[in-house]
Amino acid sequence: EAQVTQNPRYLITVTGKKLTVTCSQNMNHEYMSWYRQDPGLGLRQIYYSMNVEVTDKGDVPEGYKVSRKEKRNFPLILESPSPNQTSLYFCASSQRAGGLLSGNTIYFGEGSWLTVV
Amino acid sequence: QQQVKQSPQSLIVQKGGISIINCAYENTAFDYFPWYQQFPGKGPALLIAIRPDVSEKKEGRFTISFNKSAKQFSLHIMDSQPGDSATYFCAASIPGRSGGYQKVTFGIGTKLQVIP
Repeated sequence: EAQVTQNPRYLITVTGKKLTVTCSQNMNHEYMSWYRQDPGLGLRQIYYSMNVEVTDKGDVPEGYKVSRKEKRNFPLILESPSPNQTSLYFCASSQRAGGLLSGNTIYFGEGSWLTVV
Repeated sequence: QQQVKQSPQSLIVQKGGISIINCAYENTAFDYFPWYQQFPGKGPALLIAIRPDVSEKKEGRFTISFNKSAKQFSLHIMDSQPGDSATYFCAASIPGRSGGYQKVTFGIGTKLQVIP
C-alpha cells in the first residue's frame, strides 16, 4: 500500500528539549516536504526536499531543521522547541514535477500532533 | 501574504443540500488548482483538480467551477451527505523549473459539517 508514515503521531514535550519527527514514504518519490497546520492559517510549508541531500526552506522554516540522507526518509528536527511550535505537522511526498506544467498529487501522512509546554 | 484566499472558514449544510466553497487567487502563473479533503485524524487527500483552460470539472457529486478572468474557483458538493463532513482545502500550484518541483499554496481550509 502506498503511504507516507510519520512518527510519533502524538507528542507532548517541554520547551528546549530536542525532538525528531520521522517520515518515510514507500512510493519512491523524489519530492518530500513538511507542513504545519494551524487554525485559521491552513497548511504552511516548512521545508522541502527535491532529492537526496537537496533541501530548501519553505514558507515558515524558523526553528526547524531537516535532512535527506535517503530517498525514502525525511525527518523533521526541532532543536529547541518552543510553545509557538505547538501544531499539527504533516509530512508529504510527490513525484518530482517535470516539464512545463505542475500538477503532481501530494500524498500526506496522517499527521503528528505536537504540544510544547 | 495569503496567495489563495478561501471562504468560508466553516460551513453547515443540511443533508441533501449543496455545499459551496470559494477560493480566489492573484498570481496568474498558477496552472493547477486542486482541492484536498481532510477527515478528522487524517492527512489531506486529493479530491478533484482543474486546470485554468477548463471552466468546469465534475466527478460524481463534486464539481469545480473555474473563472479565469475573475481569478476565482469554487467547489460545489451536490446532494451533500454526512460522510462529506471534513475540512476542504483549495490550492494552487506553479510549475517549477524544467524537471524541478512545483510550488503549492494552500487556502486556509473550510470545515464542512453536513447535518442529517
